[in-house]
Amino acid sequence: GQQVMQIPQYQHVQEGEDFTTYCNSSTTLSNIQWYKQRPGGHPVFLIQLVKSGEVKKQKRLTFQFGEAKKNSSLHITATQTTDVGTYFCVGAGSYQLTFGKGTKLSVIP
Amino acid sequence: EAGVAQSPRYKIIEKRQSVAFWCNPISGHATLYWYQQILGQGPKLLIQFQNNGVVDDSQLPKDRFSAERLKGVDSTLKIQPAKLEDSAVYLCASSSRGKMSEQYFGPGTRLTVT
Repeated sequence: GQQVMQIPQYQHVQEGEDFTTYCNSSTTLSNIQWYKQRPGGHPVFLIQLVKSGEVKKQKRLTFQFGEAKKNSSLHITATQTTDVGTYFCVGAGSYQLTFGKGTKLSVIP
Repeated sequence: EAGVAQSPRYKIIEKRQSVAFWCNPISGHATLYWYQQILGQGPKLLIQFQNNGVVDDSQLPKDRFSAERLKGVDSTLKIQPAKLEDSAVYLCASSSRGKMSEQYFGPGTRLTVT
């Protein structure tokens, strides 16, 4: 079945440093979505990427979808304490919807 | 616009007992998902409904888990009998256009099986 690998599992950064999480699927995806889950909360939608090579920006967040539509990344520039949480990618294949295991981001003030 | 509602928020049961969770999706959302999220892991899709039909239940342990979506609106997820490894947060989500649109998640039900 479809597998979605996400790395790193944990990332500790100093406030102001950059952060990147990577997602890789075993199968070609129709789209990929990114969610953020704060401690004790539920996943909240950030963005959806559909097109090969697509790049989208939301303020300090940059999302990329690979040319082969099998990998994706989320980059945060100049992290802030409000960025703390776990970031998940969700790969949508032909039949399956699969969450990555997530990257837990800690920001040291 | 009201969000996805779930109840109860917390439940503690003993192993071999039964439990049921309820979800009310956002009005008009045709697609409803149930996920299991074990502590420290990503959500695992258990079942996906499109209106009141099942689209994907490939990861639902059908010997003990069951789910239904009455009239294409509310949904219930049942576990009978529960095992210790079922301790997790059960998340319900809904979307307007299946996997092509964002999912809105409810607050979840935290289940502890002792």
